[in-house]
Amino acid sequence: DSGVTQTPKHLITATGQRVTLRCSPRSGDLSVYWYQQSLDQGLQFLIQYYNGEERAKGNILERFSAQQFPDLHSELNLSSLELGDSALYFCASSVGITGSTDTQYFGPGTRLTVL
Amino acid sequence: AQTVTQSQPEMSVQEAETVTLSCTYDTSESNYYLFWYKQPPSRQMILVIRQEAYKQQNATENRFSVNFQKAAKSFSLKISDSQLGDTAMYFCAVKETSGSRLTFGEGTQLTVNP
Repeated sequence: DSGVTQTPKHLITATGQRVTLRCSPRSGDLSVYWYQQSLDQGLQFLIQYYNGEERAKGNILERFSAQQFPDLHSELNLSSLELGDSALYFCASSVGITGSTDTQYFGPGTRLTVL
Repeated sequence: AQTVTQSQPEMSVQEAETVTLSCTYDTSESNYYLFWYKQPPSRQMILVIRQEAYKQQNATENRFSVNFQKAAKSFSLKISDSQLGDTAMYFCAVKETSGSRLTFGEGTQLTVNP
């Protein structure tokens, strides 16, 4: 158990819908990262927040957005869902931004299925 | 931009034997970190081992060790005394010190046979 929690574990929805994925980082971690794992694109970095502020953006679609709240939990919002958004979405957390403390620990993931 | 290549999509090994998984990477920076993560059938991503690029000594964690060749940009993972529980997809990843994202390879599916 990494100490990172994600809810829900599974999510099944229809095209065009909107969903919210939730992540709670390990105690003491200030950074939260979101990754998408799909069959055709592998593991891709989406976005990072550090202490409530966006710090880095990767291959995140405009239909997707995220935020980190004062209690440091994070939510990833996916809207206008398409079939191709079906994937495993991971949240990871780390203590800070740089240095040896920046090892990222992953949550169990949320499997999203868009029908 | 950083890239990671794992040239072995699948590997198998007999229980108790040793196996080495290959990884090459590219980065424009001199300071970076390298990681191996495993993803068992449960799909959880589990950190196996970490290497700081500025350290010449190869990292070791129990039965897991790496062979880090900085000049060749190679970072292989050796698993000794393989166990059935080592069956998983193994991902190599790199993170530049100046950035925050992990860049992953395509993964190597390792099967440990009894």
